[in-house]
Amino acid sequence: AQKITQTQPGMFVQEKEAVTLDCTYDTSDQSYGLFWYKQPSSGEMIFLIYQGSYDEQNATEGRYSLNFQKARKSANLVISASQLGDSAMYFCAMRGATYKYIFGTGTRLKVLA
Amino acid sequence: GAVVSQHPSRVICKSGTSVKIECRSLDFQATTMFWYRQFPKKSLMLMATSNEGSKATYEQGVEKDKFLINHASLTLSTLTVTSAHPEDSSFYICSAKGAGLNSPLHFGNGTRLTVT
Repeated sequence: AQKITQTQPGMFVQEKEAVTLDCTYDTSDQSYGLFWYKQPSSGEMIFLIYQGSYDEQNATEGRYSLNFQKARKSANLVISASQLGDSAMYFCAMRGATYKYIFGTGTRLKVLA
Repeated sequence: GAVVSQHPSRVICKSGTSVKIECRSLDFQATTMFWYRQFPKKSLMLMATSNEGSKATYEQGVEKDKFLINHASLTLSTLTVTSAHPEDSSFYICSAKGAGLNSPLHFGNGTRLTVT
């Protein structure tokens, strides 16, 4: 069975600082994909970054980077230089071999001015 | 980028009536669409996988006769909540997967359903 775990229900970060949102996963699939999404209060789901299980380098997209540690089965999201607009709910997700996407319980990030 | 349009964004209906939610992929063909339900401050719960031209695959515990899914074309999937009850009130959000194994899900903006 596949599982995504996000252990931080809420996080605070000072504006312009970096923050790490934790995500661990469990799967028996050899091929899988890991995704991070941002959900503002308006409700839409915004795709941020993707990491494939066979990718050797950590994914980066602008201020977002994914710290992928395969042996530990973790895929933490790092947001650098936090901005007030980064305040939102963040979900880690995984696609397994069956092509279903499952989501973690989310982390609510609040950026402080 | 890939755009998914979901309509309506909000709907209020009376108990016993049915509500149809549309999900369209605007600039790409989506052979597979997924319907999720999200309770307040909770994660997304996969309800069903909708495949173009075939019956939807429902997750365990999801009533297929209550949540009718139709995926008649490569760009349109619909979710109909039949005989709605107040406990069906929720945020429903659709997503479509683009071509390519590693393509992310692209989400609609969601539909907030309130059943009175």
